[in-house]
Amino acid sequence: AQRVTQPEKLLSVFKGAPVELKCNYSYSGSPELFWYVQYSRQRLQLLLRHISRESIKGFTADLNKGETSFHLKKPFAQEEDSAMYYCALNAGSARQLTFGSGTQLTVLP
Amino acid sequence: NAGVTQTPKFRILKIGQSMTLQCTQDMNHNYMYWYRQDPGMGLKLIYYSVGAGITDKGEVPNGYNVSRSTTEDFPLRLELAAPSQTSVYFCASSPDSHTEAFFGQGTRLTVV
Repeated sequence: AQRVTQPEKLLSVFKGAPVELKCNYSYSGSPELFWYVQYSRQRLQLLLRHISRESIKGFTADLNKGETSFHLKKPFAQEEDSAMYYCALNAGSARQLTFGSGTQLTVLP
Repeated sequence: NAGVTQTPKFRILKIGQSMTLQCTQDMNHNYMYWYRQDPGMGLKLIYYSVGAGITDKGEVPNGYNVSRSTTEDFPLRLELAAPSQTSVYFCASSPDSHTEAFFGQGTRLTVV
């Protein structure tokens, strides 16, 4: 069975500081990994996915198969980055999307 | 664009009552999902559907039922509501299993 672990429930950084949100997964095959974000009073929405190798709003995430990790990084955090972030894994025979428990990021002024 | 629409937004149920959470999408997506989110926890998959007429259980299906008679609609039925079903419920859809899932605004359900 697949599993996604986000070890930090809460993370606070100061504006301009680097931020890294951790995500580890367990799956024996080739996973597809995503980061979803939920801003206050908004819907959960896709931030980025590993397959596209893109940078969205300054965030990047690299899939490390050796460490089974997909950490989300941004070199200079902004106050508008404050949100709930979920790492998700798309795997299994039915391609179910499995979510981690989320990390609430707060960027302090 | 409406996207994924869930109704109601909030509901309080008494133990033993039943209700249906509605979900509809106007993007002609084949895949639809129901998740629940308990405080401090991630989203857990209740049921999903890969197309009209096809549904399957997710991680936490007990106490729920679904149907998918049309591509657009994927209602979630709670029979005999229990306090353990107090949660926020999210419906989502995607064109296939490899692409972005689009979420509804959520339904906050309290069972007392």
